[in-house]
Amino acid sequence: KAGVTQTPRYLIKTRGQQVTLSCSPISGHRSVSWYQQTPGQGLQFLFEYFSETQRNKGNFPGRFSGRQFSNSRSEMNVSTLELGDSALYLCASSSRRGSGTEAFFGQGTRLTVV
Amino acid sequence: GESVGLHLPTLSVQEGDNSIINCAYSNSASDYFIWYKQESGKGPQFIIDIRSNMDKRQGQRVTVLLNKTVKHLSLQIAATQPGDSAVYFCAEIAYNQGGKLIFGQGTELSVKP
Repeated sequence: KAGVTQTPRYLIKTRGQQVTLSCSPISGHRSVSWYQQTPGQGLQFLFEYFSETQRNKGNFPGRFSGRQFSNSRSEMNVSTLELGDSALYLCASSSRRGSGTEAFFGQGTRLTVV
Repeated sequence: GESVGLHLPTLSVQEGDNSIINCAYSNSASDYFIWYKQESGKGPQFIIDIRSNMDKRQGQRVTVLLNKTVKHLSLQIAATQPGDSAVYFCAEIAYNQGGKLIFGQGTELSVKP
């Protein structure tokens, strides 16, 4: 069974640009959650999508958004990038709503904003 | 943000020794607690979880202890191996908050051969 796939693995963007990251969950999983990981703040919850609807949201500005498609693949978008958005963005898939104890993480996308 | 991830504590142990990694959690209403292992360049990997109504759970070479009185969680790794070297995170889940994972600060475990 294939794991959680995140693309791209690495990304370099310029301040002010926007970026879209992709996450393909484990086959059959309908929940995708996104997390931001930085050395200073650790792992922070961004949002969760289940059956194409956002079910939960963390404390991030509106520049951070996401969506989920009918095949459960999810994308997150960050607009007007700031230097502080440089981070490892992780997605986790789960078979049920709420990460629960069954969240499987991808390897992440390392975003660098210059 | 909701997680605490300031200075990363480190733990250095000799191969074959037992390791104990500690974590303080924030929400007394959390339903589950989980330990994750994160190796360099990889996402967090589930190790073991414990329901809030339990105080101990054992897995293969790992034991999680939960002390709700002081809101403390620990992970014990028996006979630590070089492959155990990684950053370990605890996380809590409160289903009345939608079931999202709230991560604690990580601890870097270094195993000396």
